[in-house]
Amino acid sequence: DVKVTQSSRYLVKRTGEKVFLECVQDMDHENMFWYRQDPGLGLRLIYFSYDVKMKEKGDIPEGYSVSREKKERFSLILESASTNQTSMYLCASSFRGQGFNQPQHFGDGTRLSIL
Amino acid sequence: GQNIDQPTEMTATEGAIVQINCTYQTSGFNGLFWYQQHAGEAPTFLSYNVLDGLEEKGRFSSFLSRSKGYSYLLLKELQMKDSASYLCAVRDEGGDYKLSFGAGTTVTVRA
Repeated sequence: DVKVTQSSRYLVKRTGEKVFLECVQDMDHENMFWYRQDPGLGLRLIYFSYDVKMKEKGDIPEGYSVSREKKERFSLILESASTNQTSMYLCASSFRGQGFNQPQHFGDGTRLSIL
Repeated sequence: GQNIDQPTEMTATEGAIVQINCTYQTSGFNGLFWYQQHAGEAPTFLSYNVLDGLEEKGRFSSFLSRSKGYSYLLLKELQMKDSASYLCAVRDEGGDYKLSFGAGTTVTVRA
């Protein structure tokens, strides 16, 4: 089974802090994604990556950055946390180059609260 | 851009059938996914449709009409464990692998 592991299930940080959310996948997937999930809004794409050291902006990249130094690891960074970044953050990964029917596989999520 | 609509909530009785509709207006289309998400857990993949018609997988079926921008997920012989949120996601026709998600439909199964 594909395993996508997020480093924390729950995290509480303070306004202005720099926050790191880590995601690791064990299936040698090329694609990795970061979403946030808010009630009534569904999953919204923050950033994604097709390969090591590559990154692309999603729909809501403002206030976030990412890092992909190794194929299996994709990190989301909140440069200066704000209360409106309180949310559930989900990481996902998928194969590339095997057809568009390859689903994304998700981690269990990190519930982040910014006080 | 993508505009994906699904009902917010549905309630049904154990053993019954429920149909969750999803309509989409997209700049292109390259497939539609359904995911199931139990509270506090990761979304898990249920089905994929790219051609018109019905795909059946046990108690779950998914239908697609590309000309109408419409899909549904059919859950048969409902069980209590089917209480979850169901997410519709569309891939556009660009060369990337991004998905655009609807807000999700929360299904509650009652005894």
